[in-house]
Amino acid sequence: NAGVTQTPKFQVLKTGQSMTLQCAQDMNHNSMYWYRQDPGMGLRLIYYSASEGTTDKGEVPNGYNVSRLNKREFSLRLESAAPSQTSVYFCASSEVSSGGWDTQYFGPGTRLTVL
Amino acid sequence: SQQGEEDPQALSIQEGENATMNCSYKTSINNLQWYRQNSGRGLVHLILIRSNEREKHSGRLRVTLDTSKKSSSLLITASRAADTASYFCATGNTGGFKTIFGAGTRLFVKA
Repeated sequence: NAGVTQTPKFQVLKTGQSMTLQCAQDMNHNSMYWYRQDPGMGLRLIYYSASEGTTDKGEVPNGYNVSRLNKREFSLRLESAAPSQTSVYFCASSEVSSGGWDTQYFGPGTRLTVL
Repeated sequence: SQQGEEDPQALSIQEGENATMNCSYKTSINNLQWYRQNSGRGLVHLILIRSNEREKHSGRLRVTLDTSKKSSSLLITASRAADTASYFCATGNTGGFKTIFGAGTRLFVKA
């Protein structure tokens, strides 16, 4: 099993350009997440998808859109990139237990630089 | 806003010593988890402790949870150079989904 995969690994954009970050998981998890991590900080939740067909905003959704394409895939789109979106982006997936908690499995990340 | 705040921000120890990291949080939780992140990699889950548990062990890891003080600690015993990484606490409420990660403790273990 590959777990959670992300593409691309690195990307440089100019201000105003758009791009889509791809994420796929092969663990048959219902829930998927997009986070950003800035230097010296923890992860901040951008968007999440509790199950196929649903998406919800996290802590920092402005400037982003998401698509839960199917159970495996969850993409993150930057419509008009800004330097403030320079960050490392992580995708994660999980399955919420009957007890109400989940362990998240993370992809390797995408390093995005916006000039 | 970040729920969990780790302390210290950075920790440097010699191989073989124990490393203790603390996490404080603000609101009631269903569970608290610790994750590790090696440089340039994604986070890896280490251990989960539920709100009705006080202590949990996994190999060289020992986690405690004090819900009255809204705090948790992670102890790594007999540390190794390979333990060098950042460690994050993450708090969750019932229903999952909005797990909140702290800013992390950077641990450096010198060989």
